[in-house]
Amino acid sequence: KAGVTQTPRYLIKTRGQQVTLSCSPISGHRSVSWYQQTPGQGLQFLFEYFSETQRNKGNFPGRFSGRQFSNSRSEMNVSTLELGDSALYLCASSLGQGAGGELFFGEGSRLTVL
Amino acid sequence: AQSVTQPDIHITVSEGASLELRCNYSYGATPYLFWYVQSPGQGLQLLLKYFSGDTLVQGIKGFEAEFKRSQSSFNLRKPSVHWSDAAEYFCAVGARRGGADGLTFGKGTHLIIQP
Repeated sequence: KAGVTQTPRYLIKTRGQQVTLSCSPISGHRSVSWYQQTPGQGLQFLFEYFSETQRNKGNFPGRFSGRQFSNSRSEMNVSTLELGDSALYLCASSLGQGAGGELFFGEGSRLTVL
Repeated sequence: AQSVTQPDIHITVSEGASLELRCNYSYGATPYLFWYVQSPGQGLQLLLKYFSGDTLVQGIKGFEAEFKRSQSSFNLRKPSVHWSDAAEYFCAVGARRGGADGLTFGKGTHLIIQP
């Protein structure tokens, strides 16, 4: 079956702009998590959605937000972009919520902020 | 808060040689433990996981890992590496009751395979 699909794969924005990233989970998976990956900080948990509700949230400012739709697809938004937001944003889906479920990752959306 | 330490940033191994990647974690109880691999330009792929039971777990691609509670470690091993194993390897822990942190990842170990 199809894996986790993230769009766009690459994008370039300027400071102050906002960006929306999309994630389509594996069919039947109801949980979607988002992670930020940077060379300096590594992989950091952003948030997790299950059945359209945000279940968990990492230590990121309110500029980072997300949502999940009834078909389990998820979007994350970053407003008022800063240079430090340049990163690979990874989406992962799983059958259940929380850390017990095996996560299946997409290839990521690489955001560059100029 | 939980944390993961991967003490080796880079490891170079000759093709055909054995491999051990170290992982130490900090957590109040026994967490869920994972090893993921990331090839350049790719997302993360799960190699193996430990939830409970047998402390030696087998994964894909010939990898195995051993959970040692007394040492808070979950080291990854492979008896004979192949050039295709060159990648970034991440150890991760997760709270058993799905806490607010999602998975906590180590900083990764970059594996280089020498011919």
